[in-house]
Amino acid sequence: EIVLTQSPGTLSLSPGERATLSCRASQSVNSIYLAWYQQKPGQAPRLLIYGASGRAAGVPDRFSGSGSGTDFTLTISRLEPEDFAVYYCQQSDRSHWTFGQGTKVEV
Amino acid sequence: EVQLVESGGGLVQPGGSLRLSCAASGFTFSDYEMTWVRQAPGKGLEWISYISSRGTTVSYSDSVKGRFTISRDNAKNSLYLQMNSLRAEDTAIYYCARVRNSAYFRYWGQGALVAVSS
Repeated sequence: EIVLTQSPGTLSLSPGERATLSCRASQSVNSIYLAWYQQKPGQAPRLLIYGASGRAAGVPDRFSGSGSGTDFTLTISRLEPEDFAVYYCQQSDRSHWTFGQGTKVEV
Repeated sequence: EVQLVESGGGLVQPGGSLRLSCAASGFTFSDYEMTWVRQAPGKGLEWISYISSRGTTVSYSDSVKGRFTISRDNAKNSLYLQMNSLRAEDTAIYYCARVRNSAYFRYWGQGALVAVSS
């Protein structure tokens, strides 16, 4: 099983600042199968990024994804008040999926 | 508009059984792979099961394999999760989601709460 480790666990920032979230895999991941989700309290997760760098429909362009192999990054260029949430990376491998433990972006 | 609506959650005793349903609308259900993901209180997301569009391929996480069974009825636009031998650690919100390209989960339901307690 591929283990995804996200860092940091919590990111304390202010609106307008840049957020850089890391996701490291225990073995190489095909970028096609790397996604990022945002989850706010009491809500279902929302797809942000697929294929490591593709932005899902309706996702603002301040969100961007990058990386390959074992190291992937989600960047929020300028934090808006609605961006404070928990972010998860996810990978799929032969019809099995794993999520990272999440990074909380807080004020 | 794509909609996924889970039902069937509730309180069950350890060792008991429960069947979750996910009603799909707004898309051609039989064209899409589907999955179940759960989230224990205050914890992260955990993928638990997958089913192909025709139901011919299924997979499970080690944590539920042998106890949970995923199925679908394409004629009824519905996805199911039969949960047997439930344990306290199965307490969670259970989400159904639509899978895209065997890779990511584009649409999610609102979740169904399952509580396992005596």
